[in-house]
Amino acid sequence: GAVVSQHPSRVICKSGTSVKIECRSLDFQATTMFWYRQFPKQSLMLMATSNEGSKATYEQGVEKDKFLINHASLTLSTLTVTSAHPEDSSFYICSARDVRGQGPTEAFFGQGTRLTVV
Amino acid sequence: GQSLEQPSEVTAVEGAIVQINCTYQTSGFYGLSWYQQHDGGAPTFLSYNALDGLEETGRFSSFLSRSDSYGYLLLQELQMKDSASYFCAVIPMGNFNKFYFGSGTKLNVKP
Repeated sequence: GAVVSQHPSRVICKSGTSVKIECRSLDFQATTMFWYRQFPKQSLMLMATSNEGSKATYEQGVEKDKFLINHASLTLSTLTVTSAHPEDSSFYICSARDVRGQGPTEAFFGQGTRLTVV
Repeated sequence: GQSLEQPSEVTAVEGAIVQINCTYQTSGFYGLSWYQQHDGGAPTFLSYNALDGLEETGRFSSFLSRSDSYGYLLLQELQMKDSASYFCAVIPMGNFNKFYFGSGTKLNVKP
């Protein structure tokens, strides 16, 4: 299957700083990538849909100014958590869909980023 | 909107069969998917039902009944490595790209 690489896998940052998380599709092109957030023992909550060359689409309740998404190429999307606070501590996972695919199996997930804000 | 409910936790013994249910309320969807996630890891695809009925993939099978707004994942010959969280997910009508995940079920397999 296709590979999605997410970096970093873990990050600890101080309150008030910003953190950038990268999501790369390694062997396919992805016009659309998705960012999810997952709290311990909870489900994955879709935060936003990242579209190559255009603005991201945010889900209701997600602050677009706090979670900046950039999808500059067909293989890279970034999520920047700005002015991070302890309540932003969570597991963030990206997902990418192969543009050639039409079925549900063509969505692949990164390994996730464990963000801890102290 | 989408709402998918699953039991929070299920425990079973090695070699047994376990069924994880998913009941949903949705305005319309293309199909129901199932994903497995080990602690700290990425979700991995298990199965997909576009139509009503049973789909079998090795030890895992998935079932969908649109009339009952219900689906399930069946795991046979349980192994210790099957201990993980399992999520159902829907692809909403009108947006083939998106996945909305269920509440998740933690499966504990005991010796």
